[in-house]
Amino acid sequence: SYVLTQSPSVSVAPGQTARISCGGNYIGGQSVQWYQQKPGQAPVLVVYDDSDRPSGIPERFSGSNSGNTASLTISRVEAGDEADYYCQVWDSSSNLVVFGGGTKLTVL
Amino acid sequence: QLQLQASGSGLVKPSQTLSLTCAVSGDSISSGGYSWSWIRQPPGKGLEWIGHVSHSGSTYYNPSLKSRVTISVDTSKNVFSLNLSSVTAADTAVYFCARLIVVASAHTRFDSWGQGTLVAVSS
Repeated sequence: SYVLTQSPSVSVAPGQTARISCGGNYIGGQSVQWYQQKPGQAPVLVVYDDSDRPSGIPERFSGSNSGNTASLTISRVEAGDEADYYCQVWDSSSNLVVFGGGTKLTVL
Repeated sequence: QLQLQASGSGLVKPSQTLSLTCAVSGDSISSGGYSWSWIRQPPGKGLEWIGHVSHSGSTYYNPSLKSRVTISVDTSKNVFSLNLSSVTAADTAVYFCARLIVVASAHTRFDSWGQGTLVAVSS
């Protein structure tokens, strides 16, 4: 089955740029979604189809996807961005949803 | 505005069946282009997709749970349900229901989530 690999944690100072990666075999050929989950809350979709943002999501959140790595970039990081972030794809070979293991973003 | 509300037993004994229902408001569960999904999250761990049912009734399950899972939809009540049989402590988790947008098969996203309900498996 398809596997998505995320680094367990990323730390960044307020105002700086955070980059969260999601690795997978030829992931560049897949559509990648990113979810933000704050403690005790349900996940929220922040990026879909690699780089599109749902309405209401700040432009500070952007995504890219190429080769074997997809990335979520958060510009001008704020304290409120501290959360767990998960990547997700649809494995069309098996018709299954796959989540990455999640990355905890800490704002220093 | 779409809302999803999961409900069910918060405590299940080992070997019994976990049953949850997700009530959908703000949209018809029969709407084309959407599927209705269950996702769980063990305490302190990541998200695990359990499965989903399409608007046409087709079901897709996580292979690791397939032998124990049934997801069904009741369009008359605008709800969908999860049954997970033969539970063990490893099934203790927060269970989320969510709407899955499916576009051209490979373009999928969970655009709306319920608040999640904690189910503990314990004797």
